[in-house]
Amino acid sequence: AQSVTQPDIHITVSEGASLELRCNYSYGATPYLFWYVQSPGQGLQLLLKYFSGDTLVQGIKGFEAEFKRSQSSFNLRKPSVHWSDAAEYFCAVGPYSGGGADGLTFGKGTHLIIQP
Amino acid sequence: DAGVIQSPRHEVTEMGQEVTLRCKPISGHNSLFWYRQTMMRGLELLIYFNNNVPIDDSGMPEDRFSAKMPNASFSTLKIQPSEPRDSAVYFCASIWDGSASDNTGELFFGEGSRLTVL
Repeated sequence: AQSVTQPDIHITVSEGASLELRCNYSYGATPYLFWYVQSPGQGLQLLLKYFSGDTLVQGIKGFEAEFKRSQSSFNLRKPSVHWSDAAEYFCAVGPYSGGGADGLTFGKGTHLIIQP
Repeated sequence: DAGVIQSPRHEVTEMGQEVTLRCKPISGHNSLFWYRQTMMRGLELLIYFNNNVPIDDSGMPEDRFSAKMPNASFSTLKIQPSEPRDSAVYFCASIWDGSASDNTGELFFGEGSRLTVL
């Protein structure tokens, strides 16, 4: 069965500092990987996704993530965080492909706190 | 497009009452998902539909939960009878699940229905 682990429940970062959120997955085939962000009281919004090709993917709001098959990881990074980045971040994995939306498995999320 | 629309946004009810949550997916999307979010268990997939047909309901916790999708623009999640442990935020999400070349891979989420069962 597929699973996602986000080892950090909370992370506190100073505004302007760099950020890395960790994500490890377990999946028996080539995974499709996603990062979503959830602001308080809101639904989830897609930040970026990896399907194939270049293992470094760029997303919205200045985020990027790198797929490392050997480490089963898909860590999210941002070079300089802004106070508006404070939110809950979810990594997700799925067998998802065109013609087969089987639903994503989400990690439990990392709560990002930005301090001035 | 208005996005995925869920109602009600908040529901407070008493144990034993019936609860119905509603979802209108994005027009043109052919797959719809119901997720439940709690602090303890995170986001759990309850059920998903493709072309209005339930494909996988293995995440539905028990028989008290049921979901329907009578047409492409409407789905309901019903809990009868409700229990305090059902308190959670319930999300509906939709996607166009077409060919690989058409697919963006992005699930679009509604803003959720926060359910409190007393």
